[in-house]
Amino acid sequence: NAGVTQTPKFRILKIGQSMTLQCTQDMNHNYMYWYRQDPGMGLKLIYYSVGAGITDKGEVPNGYNVSRSTTEDFPLRLELAAPSQTSVYFCASREAGGPGETQYFGPGTRLLVL
Amino acid sequence: AQTVTQSQPEMSVQEAETVTLSCTYDTSESDYYLFWYKQPPSRQMILVIRQEAYKQQNATENRFSVNFQKAAKSFSLKISDSQLGDAAMYFCAYRSGSGGSNYKLTFGKGTLLTVNP
Repeated sequence: NAGVTQTPKFRILKIGQSMTLQCTQDMNHNYMYWYRQDPGMGLKLIYYSVGAGITDKGEVPNGYNVSRSTTEDFPLRLELAAPSQTSVYFCASREAGGPGETQYFGPGTRLLVL
Repeated sequence: AQTVTQSQPEMSVQEAETVTLSCTYDTSESDYYLFWYKQPPSRQMILVIRQEAYKQQNATENRFSVNFQKAAKSFSLKISDSQLGDAAMYFCAYRSGSGGSNYKLTFGKGTLLTVNP
């Protein structure tokens, strides 16, 4: 199993450009998450999904959009990139069931907006 | 809203020695879960250990153990026989055990651990 994979690993964007961060998991997990990690900080939740077709906002959703058309994929869309979106982005997934279930993280995507 | 505080931005330990990383949290809930995640330079987030709040017994995983003090809302991580590979950023995280908020993890700001040979 590959687990949670993310592409690209690193990207430089110009202000106002758009891009999609890809996230795929092969563990058949219902729950998927997008977090961002700013320098010197912990991770903050952007969006999450509890299953195909169901998404909801986290703590810091402004400037982002998501979709969940399949169980495996959970892409994160940046429509108009801003310098404040410079960060490392992590995708995660976990099984359904109790809240104690482990969350598995992808390797992250480092995004630089100039 | 729950908050997680890690008061030690950086810690260092000699190889083979023991180090303890501190974490406190604020919650009004009685049902919740606590986690320690390790983030090495590769940036991959790796689960180290998990504690269920309803369990009085402290969780252990090989060289890693926790001191869970529910009344004090404290959740420290002890690393015994430290190894060079333990060098990483360590994050304490909280998850509610009830209601819709159980979907997300709330993270502290992290403690950077250096292991000296």
